[in-house]
Amino acid sequence: AQKITQTQPGMFVQEKEAVTLDCTYDTSDQSYGLFWYKQPSSGEMIFLIYQGSYDEQNATEGRYSLNFQKARKSANLVISASQLGDSAMYFCAMRELYSGGGADGLTFGKGTHLIIQP
Amino acid sequence: DVKVTQSSRYLVKRTGEKVFLECVQDMDHENMFWYRQDPGLGLRLIYFSYDVKMKEKGDIPEGYSVSREKKERFSLILESASTNQTSMYLCATQDSYSGANVLTFGAGSRLTVL
Repeated sequence: AQKITQTQPGMFVQEKEAVTLDCTYDTSDQSYGLFWYKQPSSGEMIFLIYQGSYDEQNATEGRYSLNFQKARKSANLVISASQLGDSAMYFCAMRELYSGGGADGLTFGKGTHLIIQP
Repeated sequence: DVKVTQSSRYLVKRTGEKVFLECVQDMDHENMFWYRQDPGLGLRLIYFSYDVKMKEKGDIPEGYSVSREKKERFSLILESASTNQTSMYLCATQDSYSGANVLTFGAGSRLTVL
């Protein structure tokens, strides 16, 4: 079963508008972390924002905020005042502890391709 | 800032060739990962390592092996490359002592197998 679901394969948004990228997740863990990464056409994955499952307040980083709704298992990324440079792939990811190892890898969604139009 | 360097940005190999993808980090991070990225599938974990000489299978290890002889270096090996291994390969490192356990990625290696 898919653990991270991003239902929007692609989005077109006018410059300066706010954007919401959807992400729902599935886990039975009580302790987990949710991440958003941006991947521009250059290919490098850029970390944007993190939300821990016990954090009571929504995370914010500059123009990025994470709308965390725990009961709905939802972790949407909100970008305020979008810019042309925001055009990229965006991936939602979740941290779970892999059994038998000491590393916490991330499980990624399939991504949303965001295009900002002038 | 942590720097994660993948030695080859673009590679073209033939079916059956042995392929080495190298990843080097310049921080003392314990955890390193190899993902592959395909359109419409997102990133999928191939292997990871939490210490020198330690390795764990991820979700799609078939056809791959890894090597971690030194803490800073994590290599992905395709023993006999096949066309279905044409993909973007991303290496990542993680500081297991930081609260968020953020992954820091390299720029990626785009492999084409003919």
